[in-house]
Amino acid sequence: QVQLVESGGGVVQPGTSVKLSCVTSGFNFKTHGMHWVRQAPGKGLDWVAAIWADGSTKSYADSIKGRSTISRDNSKDTLYLQMNSLRADDTAVYYCVRGSGYDWIGSFDNWGQGTLVTVSS
Amino acid sequence: QSALTQPASMSGSPGQSITITCTGSNSDIGIYNYVSWYQQHPGEAPKLIIYDVRTRPSGVSNRFSGSKSGNTASLTISGLQPEDECDYYCSSYTTSSTLYAFGTGTRVTVL
Repeated sequence: QVQLVESGGGVVQPGTSVKLSCVTSGFNFKTHGMHWVRQAPGKGLDWVAAIWADGSTKSYADSIKGRSTISRDNSKDTLYLQMNSLRADDTAVYYCVRGSGYDWIGSFDNWGQGTLVTVSS
Repeated sequence: QSALTQPASMSGSPGQSITITCTGSNSDIGIYNYVSWYQQHPGEAPKLIIYDVRTRPSGVSNRFSGSKSGNTASLTISGLQPEDECDYYCSSYTTSSTLYAFGTGTRVTVL
């Protein structure tokens, strides 16, 4: 079965960086676009970033554009999100999400359990 | 990043039907059929229950159905059951640089 396991979250200070990882299994990773979606405590869902299956094309939400990088290693079936200059409003559970297609168009058909990033001094 | 508009809460008795609306614009729901719906129980990750406006993934109950008219998408839950009590979110692909918008979320209570 499809599994997505995130790691890398924790308590970090404002202005610092964090790198999230998502190890996947149970499907052909290199044929699916992947996303990060976040959810602030008690709030709704926000799409954060996406990357095509071959890693050639990436897109970011305006809220993190310019200070974050999504990447993937298809030899390790792993997705990453590097976030810099963290702010208090970046505090959220970050979900690794499988896209339904090769690019980023479609639906979010499988979700990890999420990793909590808390930005606080 | 503009969120799609959903009612904050809805309720119904077991066996009843409810319809959750998701209102967007002609930059998202109005021009794309990439509308999906997600179910989220407390403390759990969201789960896809409808994609491409009206298609159910394998294993999802046929009590869930989706539709769209103009800039508004809808999720109908028929024969409401206690396990349907949780949060529901819609989502749509958009013309914006922020590729996807999510709905504000609807908490469903089974009375």
